[in-house]
Amino acid sequence: DAKTTQPPSMDCAEGRAANLPCNHSTISGNEYVYWYRQIHSQGPQYIIHGLKNNETNEMASLIITEDRKSSTLILPHATLRDTAVYYCIVNGYGQNFVFGPGTRLSVLP
Amino acid sequence: ETGVTQTPRHLVMGMTNKKSLKCEQHLGHNAMYWYKQSAKKPLELMFVYSLEERVENNSVPSRFSPECPNSSHLFLHLHTLQPEDSALYLCASSQEGWAGFYGYTFGSGTRLTVV
Repeated sequence: DAKTTQPPSMDCAEGRAANLPCNHSTISGNEYVYWYRQIHSQGPQYIIHGLKNNETNEMASLIITEDRKSSTLILPHATLRDTAVYYCIVNGYGQNFVFGPGTRLSVLP
Repeated sequence: ETGVTQTPRHLVMGMTNKKSLKCEQHLGHNAMYWYKQSAKKPLELMFVYSLEERVENNSVPSRFSPECPNSSHLFLHLHTLQPEDSALYLCASSQEGWAGFYGYTFGSGTRLTVV
């Protein structure tokens, strides 16, 4: 079973920030938080990952709470092409990626 | 191109046919995976190969038969499939058998329809 809980769907206006939450209350100290997205009928695409500190790359920012029990993926200026299913995954050494249902983000014009 | 190439992209097969899905990775990874994604369902892990040995088989029916001849290639041999096996089949690869610092890299998938 997936170790994360995400809202099933969210809407975001084009050009605004999209903030996607994820709960992972049972995360262990050596487990990372990964975010992927899947655009319709394509393979999942890596976005970002982190352990404890907040992370930022050219695609997104990842904010992890101090207790590490939840995180937020931020797409700073959402575009129509960001419409996808977003997956939050907790993973540690020797474990396989387990996907939950994710959050379906719809970016609206 | 993600570095993981799957062929064919689309496949239609009858229930009595035998076909194979192919996956090739150009990333130097040493672990490869097959996932199945049925309509409106999360991805389900089917098989895991690490260093060319199958290390996991998640109760997948024997009509699905994986093969990993080397660390760059992975096949999924299909025979006597059922219509409910219609799905998107995704291949992924990673280094050291865990996502680590680089994550899993997925191919674009094979859309399989069983008629």
